[in-house]
Amino acid sequence: QQQVKQSPQSLIVQKGGISIINCAYENTAFDYFPWYQQFPGKGPALLIAIRPDVSEKKEGRFTISFNKSAKQFSLHIMDSQPGDSATYFCAASDSGTYKYIFGTGTRLKVLA
Amino acid sequence: NAGVTQTPKFRILKIGQSMTLQCTQDMNHNYMYWYRQDPGMGLKLIYYSVGAGITDKGEVPNGYNVSRSTTEDFPLRLELAAPSQTSVYFCASSSGTGTETQYFGPGTRLLVL
Repeated sequence: QQQVKQSPQSLIVQKGGISIINCAYENTAFDYFPWYQQFPGKGPALLIAIRPDVSEKKEGRFTISFNKSAKQFSLHIMDSQPGDSATYFCAASDSGTYKYIFGTGTRLKVLA
Repeated sequence: NAGVTQTPKFRILKIGQSMTLQCTQDMNHNYMYWYRQDPGMGLKLIYYSVGAGITDKGEVPNGYNVSRSTTEDFPLRLELAAPSQTSVYFCASSSGTGTETQYFGPGTRLLVL
């Protein structure tokens, strides 16, 4: 019940295309869903996050879509750029705890 | 602010050796975490701390120990290194509970041979 399942494991997208990464969870106590971006040789950094009281959150080219009934959420990267090439991790947490449960990561490559 | 800093960046250990991974944050965060990252496995929580003098186990604590004597520092100790501990280790900190942003350090790459 503590798992967060992330797919795909890797993704190749042409410049200007849309990148979509999906995550699913089981624990209904989770109430915070961040996405982290990690460049090679660096630590992960927060990209965007959503709480379950909204179905979508947009920040620039990055959008989180959230489906509470299906217990799924996804990251959409519009107009993908080579600079977006990185590993993306979804995560989930229960605001009553101090811990994140991370997905297994998606390695995104955007071709120029 | 330097944020979260980790030393060393890279280390090779022989089986059975011990070492301490250092982590320091200058954001006055109460909460600190140690993760390990293995290919295709995401980030697994090793230990965490909610304040000086308070630590607790995460998902994969075996083979590791931590201490938290100050707000700034959260060292991770490996005793009797094993090949299974070959990984990249990240330290992180946050100001509050699970909805607060975790800020990660640059990582320590450890190879146990």
